[in-house]
Amino acid sequence: NAGVTQTPKFQVLKTGQSMTLQCAQDMNHEYMSWYRQDPGMGLRLIHYSVGAGITDQGEVPNGYNVSRSTTEDFPLRLLSAAPSQTSVYFCASRARQVPTEAFFGQGTRLTVV
Amino acid sequence: GQNIDQPTEMTATEGAIVQINCTYQTSGFNGLFWYQQHAGEAPTFLSYNVLDGLEEKGRFSSFLSRSKGYSYLLLKELQMKDSASYLCAVSRVYNQGGKLIFGQGTELSVKP
Repeated sequence: NAGVTQTPKFQVLKTGQSMTLQCAQDMNHEYMSWYRQDPGMGLRLIHYSVGAGITDQGEVPNGYNVSRSTTEDFPLRLLSAAPSQTSVYFCASRARQVPTEAFFGQGTRLTVV
Repeated sequence: GQNIDQPTEMTATEGAIVQINCTYQTSGFNGLFWYQQHAGEAPTFLSYNVLDGLEEKGRFSSFLSRSKGYSYLLLKELQMKDSASYLCAVSRVYNQGGKLIFGQGTELSVKP
């Protein structure tokens, strides 16, 4: 019963490095989203997708890229990491038959030094 | 755009009842969700409302008034394990991406 799987769980990057956060779901959900969570800020939407081949920007998209080549996978790319991107990142998926609950991955704690 | 407001912190006593309010302004509204998040963990789903009225799930209930842009989460018979952050989230219709937008969360502390 995997649900939503995020990797890695922890990551330290140097300023300017790039990396990809992985997210995979096995529930055949159409909707997938990436959020970041900072202290006192709740969850802020970075990018989202309503299906394979379709992505769009959320509230805080700058510095991040996404793609959705399959229904299952929705990777988040940091192009050139900055200390302001230090945060906890959550991937979520939900079925298209809205409204339905979103299922979250366990999160990735990223530190940029 | 959207604007979702909830109190930053609340404190309550074990065994008591607490109500956490959420107000929102958004276009394309398609449901309001409540999530619980313990420190260091992912959010977990508690309840949702699409139509006006009260939804009850055990010790937790959620209420929605769409005309007032208002919801609340009611927690009864509080337990120490209910100390957590409670997140209010608004769902938007498919042609607006079916997005789920969150408030900043309410940190609830349950005292003995």
